[in-house]
Amino acid sequence: KQEVTQIPAALSVPEGENLVLNCSFTDSAIYNLQWFRQDPGKGLTSLLLIQSSQREQTSGRLNASLDKSSGRSTLYIAASQPGDSATYLCAVHSGTYKYIFGTGTRLKVLA
Amino acid sequence: EAGVAQSPRYKIIEKRQSVAFWCNPISGHATLYWYQQILGQGPKLLIQFQNNGVVDDSQLPKDRFSAERLKGVDSTLKIQPAKLEDSAVYLCASSLVGQPYGYTFGSGTRLTVV
Repeated sequence: KQEVTQIPAALSVPEGENLVLNCSFTDSAIYNLQWFRQDPGKGLTSLLLIQSSQREQTSGRLNASLDKSSGRSTLYIAASQPGDSATYLCAVHSGTYKYIFGTGTRLKVLA
Repeated sequence: EAGVAQSPRYKIIEKRQSVAFWCNPISGHATLYWYQQILGQGPKLLIQFQNNGVVDDSQLPKDRFSAERLKGVDSTLKIQPAKLEDSAVYLCASSLVGQPYGYTFGSGTRLTVV
């Protein structure tokens, strides 16, 4: 059974810092891994999707890496801004097109 | 393109009452998902439809939860009777068949059971 864990559960940093969010999964037989952002009271917004054959994906200040063999992914946020404050969720695509989600990391970037 | 529409946005009910949520997926998306997100946890899949057939409902508490997707478009999720532990955000998502790229979520319905 696939399980997804995210650490830390919460993170508070001053504006401008580079930061890393971690995601680990127990079953390396995945199709892809996706990082989502969730703002309070809102749905989920897709940030980056990494196919199982890829090592990383980049979008603006965001970079996500995938090490399938060790069951790990990281989301790197460069030069953090207060607008980056949200909950970040990692989800693993685990057969029949469904995603298994981690519990998320609540990020607060202080101005 | 219009997103995934959900209603209502918020609902407060007493335990043992019934409640229904509605979802309208993106046009042309054959696959529809209902997720339950309890405060402080990640979303958990309740049921997955492809067109109007159920693909996966292994985590749906079938003694109280039911869902349908008539004509392969809109879907409703019902809880009857509700329990306190059903308090959560219920998220609907849709995607093209076999296309995880097109996995789009709605804004969710926040249910509070008192």
